[in-house]
Amino acid sequence: AQSVTQLGSHVSVSEGALVLLRCNYSSSVPPYLFWYVQYPNQGLQLLLKYTSAATLVKGINGFEAEFKKSEPSFHLTKPSAHMSDAAEYFCAVTKGSSASKIIFGSGTRLSIRP
Amino acid sequence: DAGVIQSPRHEVTEMGQEVTLRCKPISGHDYLFWYRQTMMRGLELLIYFNNNVPIDDSGMPEDRFSAKMPNASFSTLKIQPSEPRDSAVYFCASSFRDSSGNTIYFGEGSWLTVV
Repeated sequence: AQSVTQLGSHVSVSEGALVLLRCNYSSSVPPYLFWYVQYPNQGLQLLLKYTSAATLVKGINGFEAEFKKSEPSFHLTKPSAHMSDAAEYFCAVTKGSSASKIIFGSGTRLSIRP
Repeated sequence: DAGVIQSPRHEVTEMGQEVTLRCKPISGHDYLFWYRQTMMRGLELLIYFNNNVPIDDSGMPEDRFSAKMPNASFSTLKIQPSEPRDSAVYFCASSFRDSSGNTIYFGEGSWLTVV
């Protein structure tokens, strides 16, 4: 069965600092992996998606994630945090391209200190 | 594209009342999902449809919850009777499957408070 574990329910960084949000997954078949962002009082918005085309995936707003099969992980990073990045971030996995059901992690709340 | 449209955005109702949440998926999408989000349980998949047919309803909490999709452009999630523990944000989402997999697009959510 597929599952995702997000390490740290809350991460706080200073503006301009590196953002690192951790996600480990388990999957019996090559997975498709996602990062979604949820701003206050809004729905979830797709940040980026891994589909096996490249291990380093670039998304919107300067975020990127690297697929590491050996760990296995799909951590989300951004070189320099901005105040507008404060939000909840969700890692998600699905069982390859043939699956419809997407499993979400518990979420990580990102706070940015001025 | 208008995106996934949900109504109502906010609903406050009394315990025991019937609640109906509505969703219009993105045109052309053949999958529709209902999720519930709470502080305690996070984001839970309640049910999903493919081509208007319910595929997996294992996440529906109990018989008080029911979902229908009478056509490709409309779905409802009904709670009858409602209870305070049903208070949550209910998200509808839709997707279509292409060569890069199945990407879900979410609506803005329906914020339900049962008092």
